Amino acid sequence: DQQVKQNSPSLSVQEGRISILNCDYTNSMFDYFLWYKKYPAEGPTFLISISSIKDKNEDGRFTVFLNKSAKHLSLHIVPSQPGDSAVYFCAASPNFGNEKLTFGTGTRLTIIP
Amino acid sequence: NAGVTQTPKFQVLKTGQSMTLQCAQDMNHEYMSWYRQDPGMGLRLIHYSVGAGITDQGEVPNGYNVSRSTTEDFPLRLLSAAPSQTSVYFCASSKYDRINYGYTFGSGTRLTVV
Repeated sequence: DQQVKQNSPSLSVQEGRISILNCDYTNSMFDYFLWYKKYPAEGPTFLISISSIKDKNEDGRFTVFLNKSAKHLSLHIVPSQPGDSAVYFCAASPNFGNEKLTFGTGTRLTIIP
Repeated sequence: NAGVTQTPKFQVLKTGQSMTLQCAQDMNHEYMSWYRQDPGMGLRLIHYSVGAGITDQGEVPNGYNVSRSTTEDFPLRLLSAAPSQTSVYFCASSKYDRINYGYTFGSGTRLTVV
């Protein structure tokens, strides 16, 4: 039972355009959501997070949107750069102090120069 | 800062052998975790620790043991390796505010059990 789903295994975007990565979840107890980026042969790197009391969080080129009624979140990267080519994972947690992150299966983003 | 250091980077084991994956962090983080990554499965939590002397099970704990005798180290022991444990293993650490700061991951150990 996959509680956090990333239905697009891969995505290709032209350099300079917007990249939109999507994530859906089924567990209504999730209250915190995080995005990680992973390059080959490296560990994941934390990008940005959002709590359920917000519907948007920005950090530079990265913005995460949360639609709690639809159990959907998305990561927007604007403008996309070649260094953004990586696998992106979304993850969810039921509360602030909970160690048990549930990860999605990842989306491979390729930025085309 | 070295961050989170995992050794070895690669390992091949025979079925039934035991081994320990090492993980060390130098950031004085309270929380440490072990995840495994399998194709099409994302990362799944094996065991975690909220401080020295305290450990608990994650989503897929069977076949693995952990201990946390110091803040810095969190080794993962495979008791009797099985082909189903072929995976990439990641160790992660975080301070209390891991929602806003996230986890710091090591670069992984690729384990093959034959």
